[in-house]
Amino acid sequence: GENVEQHPSTLSVQEGDSAVIKCTYSDSASNYFPWYKQELGKGPQLIIDIRSNVGEKKDQRIAVTLNKTAKHFSLHITETQPEDSAVYFCAAWDSGTYKYIFGTGTRLKVLA
Amino acid sequence: EAGVTQSPTHLIKTRGQQATLRCSPISGHTSVYWYQQALGLGLQFLLWYDEGEERNRGNFPPRFSGRQFPNYSSELNVNALELEDSALYLCASSSLIGGEQYFGPGTRLTVT
Repeated sequence: GENVEQHPSTLSVQEGDSAVIKCTYSDSASNYFPWYKQELGKGPQLIIDIRSNVGEKKDQRIAVTLNKTAKHFSLHITETQPEDSAVYFCAAWDSGTYKYIFGTGTRLKVLA
Repeated sequence: EAGVTQSPTHLIKTRGQQATLRCSPISGHTSVYWYQQALGLGLQFLLWYDEGEERNRGNFPPRFSGRQFPNYSSELNVNALELEDSALYLCASSSLIGGEQYFGPGTRLTVT
């Protein structure tokens, strides 16, 4: 079945800098890759997603890139702000077992 | 449009008791997913319901069960509670298999 690895587990950046979080997946049949932001005490919020027929997707300060050959996808946050501080999870839809497989999360701290 | 709602927000039970958690999906969504998130850990897939049927379950014992009602709301039951069942239980809904999934705020279950 699918396996998703996420790095780094923690990331500290200065306000205004960029942050990059990377996930690798194992099943080449996976075709949908969402990213979630989870703030303390809240449920995960879908922030951006990408399908396997697209290499990059952007939404204001966040972007996701997908490399199907290398089987990895990354979240890019530019001009980080303190409110970007949260735990970020990547996921992949495993079409073989019909479930989403989540990465272990990255705790992002944006230092003012 | 109302998001996914969950009740109760918090639930405190004693070991051996039963817990019932409820979820209402976004209007028009027919799929409901349940996840367990232990403190500081990632999301572990529990159950998936679609159109009233259980479609998939994760690696959890049979004392974790649930159902989906005709209005697509769902209930998660945990029998014979154990201390390690203490976690945040998240519900998510989707209108498309393998598509965007939206989470509720979760139910914090504490077993003493």
